[in-house]
Amino acid sequence: RKEVEQDPGPFNVPEGATVAFNCTYSNSASQSFFWYRQDCRKEPKLLMSVYSSGNEDGRFTAQLNRASQYISLLIRDSKLSDSATYLCVVNIPNYGGSQGNLIFGKGTKLSVKP
Amino acid sequence: NAGVTQTPKFQVLKTGQSMTLQCAQDMNHNSMYWYRQDPGMGLRLIYYSASEGTTDKGEVPNGYNVSRLNKREFSLRLESAAPSQTSVYFCASSETVLVSGANVLTFGAGSRLTVL
Repeated sequence: RKEVEQDPGPFNVPEGATVAFNCTYSNSASQSFFWYRQDCRKEPKLLMSVYSSGNEDGRFTAQLNRASQYISLLIRDSKLSDSATYLCVVNIPNYGGSQGNLIFGKGTKLSVKP
Repeated sequence: NAGVTQTPKFQVLKTGQSMTLQCAQDMNHNSMYWYRQDPGMGLRLIYYSASEGTTDKGEVPNGYNVSRLNKREFSLRLESAAPSQTSVYFCASSETVLVSGANVLTFGAGSRLTVL
């Protein structure tokens, strides 16, 4: 299944570093895009939705490139607490016959070191 | 608010046993979902319920059944557990199936199931 692809990592970075994750999706009809964060042995939690114009939330910036069918997540000034797996999530219209389905990437693991 | 509550958190079964995972949400959401997460596979949709009284298959429904008991509760049943069903199961809910920036998934804490 390659509807949503992410680099699995791990990305090992020092505190204060800037790190970027990319995610590609295959269905050009996709309308909704998200980044979820999942801590070890915990449930996924929404980090941010991704809008066409790009959006920023503090140290986090998400961008969407529809022409190239990818979304990105940039984390500036990394903190130890940013260590987690980041899941790219894309809505695939009418996937599997349903009204709409979210497809999760396998996640990119980030480890921020002191 | 509790959000989405799943039980049990952990369960060990023998092959062939049956069990039901329970899920309840208190956010008045219409849509509920069951996912499984396996190492290297990401989250995959098992079944979902767009609204009370409806259920539909997701990507990996074989070996499972679901019941949308009421608007709050959505249960997942394994009738005859197999080792391939060893996984972490997550229940989730959203206002509707048309998930958007304003209508996102909220997950329960997960249920870790081991089938021996």
